[in-house]
Order: sequence, then structure tokens, then C-alpha cells
Amino acid sequence: ETGVTQTPRHLVMGMTNKKSLKCEQHLGHNAMYWYKQSAKKPLELMFVYNFKEQTENNSVPSRFSPECPNSSHLFLHLHTLQPEDSALYLCASRDRDSRADTQYFGPGTRLTVL
Amino acid sequence: GQNIDQPTEMTATEGAIVQINCTYQTSGFNGLFWYQQHAGEAPTFLSYNVLDGLEEKGRFSSFLSRSKGYSYLLLKELQMKDSASYLCAVRRGSTLGRLYFGRGTQLTVWP
Repeated sequence: ETGVTQTPRHLVMGMTNKKSLKCEQHLGHNAMYWYKQSAKKPLELMFVYNFKEQTENNSVPSRFSPECPNSSHLFLHLHTLQPEDSALYLCASRDRDSRADTQYFGPGTRLTVL
Repeated sequence: GQNIDQPTEMTATEGAIVQINCTYQTSGFNGLFWYQQHAGEAPTFLSYNVLDGLEEKGRFSSFLSRSKGYSYLLLKELQMKDSASYLCAVRRGSTLGRLYFGRGTQLTVWP
């Protein structure tokens, strides 16, 4: 248990659906991240939020829309996805008080787009 | 990309020692991380190196050579539960800077 939770753990959706992924941490961390992990590919950063402000968008298609209402919660809104978007979506938060400024990951949402 | 390379798969037996190598090419290097990821679970932080040398933490050690763009993770006294994917990640720029991950090394420990 890293203290970062994600819901749902599994999601199957059609290409015309709209769904949202949720990430929550109560560790007092101020930076939160969305990553995508596809089979046989490296973990890929999608978005970075620092103190609720988006500081990085790694050229992510607009069908992925992040939202960070406060420093404990992060959402990823999904609409009109493609089958190639099927992947494990991981949320992470950053511990600035650690020597390493370590990122801690949630368990992920396994997304399947039909 | 940051050209982070690590072997795809490795196998070892219980009680043995295994070394997982990682090479990288990047500008603005600001730290190298190792994570462990069991199937279906979150990556968990193992170690961090920003200066050259060896960092030891129990059965796990990590080494960094910045001039060579090289790191390794050393696992001693292997246990079955160490079977997992081991991810090498490089941080660029500020400490808010993104992590660039390798594809991971799938380690299988046999009895």
C-alpha cells in the first residue's frame, strides 16, 4: 500500500462512452501525475499537476481531459477513446520531503476500449 | 526519447544474486530511480541514486556511474517473491521534472 488509491481498478468502455478515472492521496503530497503503461512499452507520462495547476501535458490527445480540484484528488475524464488507448493508467503523487523527491504510484486502472 | 535500455527478461534461482543493468542517454540528468512492479500492482519505489556510487538498502543495492550513463540494481539472497518487473527511470531537470522509464526487466526467480 503506497497511500495512493485509484478507482475503478478495471474499466471496459465503448468508443462512444464517457467515463472518468479517479485518483486520491492523503499523504500531503502537492504534485500528482497521470501515466500510461501499455504492453511492451515504457511507462509514459501524460500530465503533471503541482499545487492543483497543470504544469505539463505530454502532447496527450484531447480525448483525455485531466482535472485536479484539490491537491488530494486527480481525475482523468475519457471520451471517444480508441482501442489503442487500452492500457494500464497509473496515478502517482510526489513526496517533496523525501531525499529523492520520490513519486509513489497507485495500483492503476486497467482500461479496455472496445 | 531518453534512450533508457535494460534487458527484457532475466531468470535466477532462489538464494542467488542477480544484477539488472540499465543504461541511459540524457541531458539534464537529475537522478535515477529503480521501481519494482508485481503483475497487476503499482510500481513501488526501491532506490534512488543521484551521485556516483553504491546505495545499499537491505538485500537490494543500486549503483550509478554518471560519466558512463550506467546503473545497476543488485538483488541478493533472492526469494520467490522477488519475481517481478524492475523499472529503471531517469529524472531530468528540476525535481518536479518528469521521469523517463525503461521498458522494465521481468525477473523470474525459480526454486
